[in-house]
Amino acid sequence: EAQVTQNPRYLITVTGKKLTVTCSQNMNHEYMSWYRQDPGLGLRQIYYSMNVEATDKGDVPEGYKVSRKEKRNFPLILESPSPNQTSLYFCASSSPPLAGGGTGELFFGEGSRLTVL
Amino acid sequence: QKEVEQDPGPLSVPEGAIVSLNCTYSNSAFQYFMWYRQYSRKGPELLMYTYSSGNKEDGRFTAQVDKSSKYISLFIRDSQPSDSATYLCAMSVITGGGNKLTFGTGTQLKVEL
Repeated sequence: EAQVTQNPRYLITVTGKKLTVTCSQNMNHEYMSWYRQDPGLGLRQIYYSMNVEATDKGDVPEGYKVSRKEKRNFPLILESPSPNQTSLYFCASSSPPLAGGGTGELFFGEGSRLTVL
Repeated sequence: QKEVEQDPGPLSVPEGAIVSLNCTYSNSAFQYFMWYRQYSRKGPELLMYTYSSGNKEDGRFTAQVDKSSKYISLFIRDSQPSDSATYLCAMSVITGGGNKLTFGTGTQLKVEL
């Protein structure tokens, strides 16, 4: 089954305690990204990756890091979490864009709800 | 001003009603338009996409794009309780690179028996 898998699904942590949210996809997609979803603000892109070892900032990258050492994995790292990073996080991978013969459809994981106290 | 505006709702309708969900946008470079559906505690999933003005139909769903007015709509006919979800519009510029979508904030829909 084609899917994007995120872990953990739920996490409560304290300010300053480093954490990593893992993301893995089995569709051999080159493009992956991280979003956060907040009430009234919708989905905002944190970071994206066009391929292995190619990452770039999205709209709200402050306080986050990512890495892309393998095509299937794209972990999100919070080095020193703060309460304003309490949010619902989604990892997504994408089929090739229209210009590349695909539809550009984003496939989302089920989300990771993070609370920083 | 946000690039994409969407009424958050909530919108409550009786079963069988026709539902109209709308988004407006300000970036005239957007060429590719999508609607995602998000059930509670789930990730969004693609419902429909289109990259031209006009209508596109898929079963009970019709996506409409009016580029001259920078306005897109999703119509749901014969709405069912299973349609209860948050509907997100999304749009992007078509490039040879990645797929950076700009999302609306979502409209929460509840279809009641």
